[in-house]
Amino acid sequence: GENVEQHPSTLSVQEGDSAVIKCTYSDSASNYFPWYKQELGKRPQLIIDIRSNVGEKKDQRIAVTLNKTAKHFSLHITETQPEDSAVYFCAASLHGSGNTGKLIFGQGTTLQVKP
Amino acid sequence: DAGITQSPRHKVTETGTPVTLRCHQTENHRYMYWYRQDPGHGLRLIHYSYGVKDTDKGEVSDGYSVSRSKTEDFLLTLESATSSQTSVYFCATQDSRSGNTIYFGEGSWLTVV
Repeated sequence: GENVEQHPSTLSVQEGDSAVIKCTYSDSASNYFPWYKQELGKRPQLIIDIRSNVGEKKDQRIAVTLNKTAKHFSLHITETQPEDSAVYFCAASLHGSGNTGKLIFGQGTTLQVKP
Repeated sequence: DAGITQSPRHKVTETGTPVTLRCHQTENHRYMYWYRQDPGHGLRLIHYSYGVKDTDKGEVSDGYSVSRSKTEDFLLTLESATSSQTSVYFCATQDSRSGNTIYFGEGSWLTVV
C-alpha cells in the first residue's frame, strides 16, 4: 500500500522568510496530492492540492511542486507570517473512477513563524 | 466546511465500555471516512464508506466497526474501548462534484481511562 514520508517534523523560520516542506510517496499510481493546515485544536483544512498531470500549482503565497519520477512533492510558503504557524500535513491518494480517494497522510510538520 | 457535524465532541469513557461516535453531513456526499489522529502518526484511516451499507476497512481498523444506514450518517463504534483508542477522531466526506476534495469534521476527543 501507499506510504508517505514527510520532512522536516518541525520547522522554525523568521517572519518574511520562505518555508519548504517535503514529502515522498511510494505508490506510483497515486495521482492526487493535497496539503492540509491544522491549527491547534482545529480540523485539518485543505490549503492547496495538485494532481499528477501538472508539475506545479500556485495560490498567492503558497505553491506545490510535484516530481512524479522521483515520487516527491513539496509545499512552498513565501513571505511567511505569524498566522502561518500551524501543523501542515501532506497526503497522497488514487483518485478517479472506481476509487474512493482514501488519503494516506504524512506525519506532519510543525511550522513556527517567529515575528 | 461541507456541513459535517461530529458528536460527541468530547467524551471520557472507561476501558471495556462500548462507544459510538456519530458523523452527520448535509451535503449528500457519497464517500465518508473515519480517521484517528495521534502524535507522531498524523491521520490514519480507520474505515470508509462509499455508499449506504457499503463500508470497508482502512489502515487501522482493528477494534472498530462502522455502519452507514443513511447517506448522511456514518457511525464509528468501539465495541470495547481500550486505552490505546484514546485519540482524536475525525470524520471526513468527499465531494466528487468539485474535484473530489475531502473535507474534515471538527473532531471528537475520546479519552479511555
